[in-house]
Amino acid sequence: GENVEQHPSTLSVQEGDSAVIKCTYSDSASNYFPWYKQELGKRPQLIIDIRSNVGEKKDQRIAVTLNKTAKHFSLHITETQPEDSAVYFCAAMNSGGYQKVTFGTGTKLQVIP
Amino acid sequence: EPEVTQTPSHQVTQMGQEVILRCVPISNHLYFYWYRQILGQKVEFLVSFYNNEISEKSEIFDDQFSVERPDGSNFTLKIRSTKLEDSAMYFCASSEALRGEGEAFFGQGTRLTVV
Repeated sequence: GENVEQHPSTLSVQEGDSAVIKCTYSDSASNYFPWYKQELGKRPQLIIDIRSNVGEKKDQRIAVTLNKTAKHFSLHITETQPEDSAVYFCAAMNSGGYQKVTFGTGTKLQVIP
Repeated sequence: EPEVTQTPSHQVTQMGQEVILRCVPISNHLYFYWYRQILGQKVEFLVSFYNNEISEKSEIFDDQFSVERPDGSNFTLKIRSTKLEDSAMYFCASSEALRGEGEAFFGQGTRLTVV
């Protein structure tokens, strides 16, 4: 089955700096990679996703990159703000299956004002 | 904005008891899921459900677990004989389409505590 590894487990940045979270996956058939943000005690919420037919996608301060050959994908947050503080989960899915999303282990991001 | 709703928000039960967690997916969604998150750990897939049957399940989803869509709106997860290690946050999710074409929307979760 799919295995998703995520690094780092914790990340502290100063407000305004950039944050990068990296993930690797094992199943070359995975072709959909969502990123979720989970605030303390709340549900995971999709913040951005990327499909395997593109290498990069950007939405305001958030961008994701995907390297299919290396089975790496990354989340980049620029100009971080205190409200970006949360746990971020990467995930991978083979869209030929019934949306069995395999989550990474999570990164706790702390943005220091 | 439509959302997935789950009840109860917190359930405390004694070991060995049966629990039923309830979810109301978004009304036009056709695909339903249960996930589990043990405190401080990652979100783990349990089961997916489409067209009134299980379409995929994980190794966590053993014979103690079952899902049902008893009517047109509810989607339930039953744990027959709870164990201490079943204590976790259980998230229901639904999506309009599979194959990565539709976002899975998560409910707010039910925190299950087995004592």
